[in-house]
Amino acid sequence: DIQMTQSPSSVSASVGDRVTITCRASQGISSWLAWYQQKPGKAPKLLIYAASSLQSGVPSRFSGSGSGTDFTLTISSLQPEDFATYYCQQANSFTFGPGTKVDIK
Amino acid sequence: QITLKESGPTLVKPTQTLTLTCTFSGFSLSTSGVGVGWIRQPPGKALEWLALIYWNDDKRYSPSLKSRLTITKDTSKNQVVLTMTNMDPVDTATYYCAHRLGVMPFDYWGQGTLVTVSS
Repeated sequence: DIQMTQSPSSVSASVGDRVTITCRASQGISSWLAWYQQKPGKAPKLLIYAASSLQSGVPSRFSGSGSGTDFTLTISSLQPEDFATYYCQQANSFTFGPGTKVDIK
Repeated sequence: QITLKESGPTLVKPTQTLTLTCTFSGFSLSTSGVGVGWIRQPPGKALEWLALIYWNDDKRYSPSLKSRLTITKDTSKNQVVLTMTNMDPVDTATYYCAHRLGVMPFDYWGQGTLVTVSS
């Protein structure tokens, strides 16, 4: 089974900061990776698919990169509505990472 | 406009079988490439994928839970049903259903339903 890890598990940041979250797969997954944002009490929201493709309607401050085993989600300038937990997901086995919580510094 | 909504019991006893229904609109499970999946999230914990059914009745299950899960669809009713046997308190979670098209990830999600397992 493919395992997904994320780092850091949490990050404290300020509005306007650049935030980078890393996701690593236990074996190569090509570009079969998605990123989701989840706010408390809400369903996850798809942000990025195929490692770097922005889902329709998602602000361009979100970007994804990587292939193989190492991937990153970058928020170029953190906005108040971006404080949430972010999950990566391997898009073939559907395995989720443990999540990264972005909170206010 | 695609919408999904989960329904089922909010409380089940240990050893019982859980049956959850996902009722959807805005798409058809008879359309090529369409799938509906189930994902759960214990309180304060991460997401866990459970099962997925495709338009052609192909079914996929989480390897760790496969023996306890059954997913079925009723295309005429626009519903997908998930059953999970032998429920345990560790299965307490919010259960979500979600839409998938082709090789895309889950792009539309239901609001989720909290299921508590307790005697």
